[in-house]
Amino acid sequence: DQQVKQNSPSLSVQEGRISILNCDYTNSMFDYFLWYKKYPAEGPTFLISISSIKDKNEDGRFTVFLNKSAKHLSLHIVPSQPGDSAVYFCAASATGSNYQLIWGAGTKLIIKP
Amino acid sequence: NAGVTQTPKFRVLKTGQSMTLLCAQDMNHEYMYWYRQDPGMGLRLIHYSVGEGTTAKGEVPDGYNVSRLKKQNFLLGLESAAPSQTSVYFCASSYLGTVTNEKLFFGSGTQLSVL
Repeated sequence: DQQVKQNSPSLSVQEGRISILNCDYTNSMFDYFLWYKKYPAEGPTFLISISSIKDKNEDGRFTVFLNKSAKHLSLHIVPSQPGDSAVYFCAASATGSNYQLIWGAGTKLIIKP
Repeated sequence: NAGVTQTPKFRVLKTGQSMTLLCAQDMNHEYMYWYRQDPGMGLRLIHYSVGEGTTAKGEVPDGYNVSRLKKQNFLLGLESAAPSQTSVYFCASSYLGTVTNEKLFFGSGTQLSVL
């Protein structure tokens, strides 16, 4: 049973528009969430994170929103650029989880010119 | 900066063969991890190490062994490969553990096929 779900395997967005990637989780013990970005033939790279004590975190064009009551988080990219085309993974951890990050299956974002 | 380096990048094995995947990091990180990624699934932790000479089991450890004889190296071994071990393997490292919310640095992956 997947504790972290990314229900959209792929998403296509026009360059310059907003990209919204979604992630749902089931474990209410998760208290820290991260987004990683992965290009083909490369490993994932850290993008942005958020603690459960916050509901929003921004870093340049990237903003992550957390809705704890809905157990839902989203990553907003504004404006979307061609270099943003990649697979985006959502991951979650719980304090005292013994070094385990639980990962979603990823969403492939395609930015159209 | 090399970061995290994995070798080999690709490998094809026959069922029952053994092999070792090597991970090397040059960032002086204490923590190292081995993950596998399968289609339609998130990364799953196989084994991890919190320092030189230590190893521990992750979520899916069966069929794998690891060693951390030197701080910069973390080896993943398959003693008798099975088709179910066909996957992409990622090594990662971090200065502190993920329990402290430290971000991970990943290698570029090893594509392993077991026939």
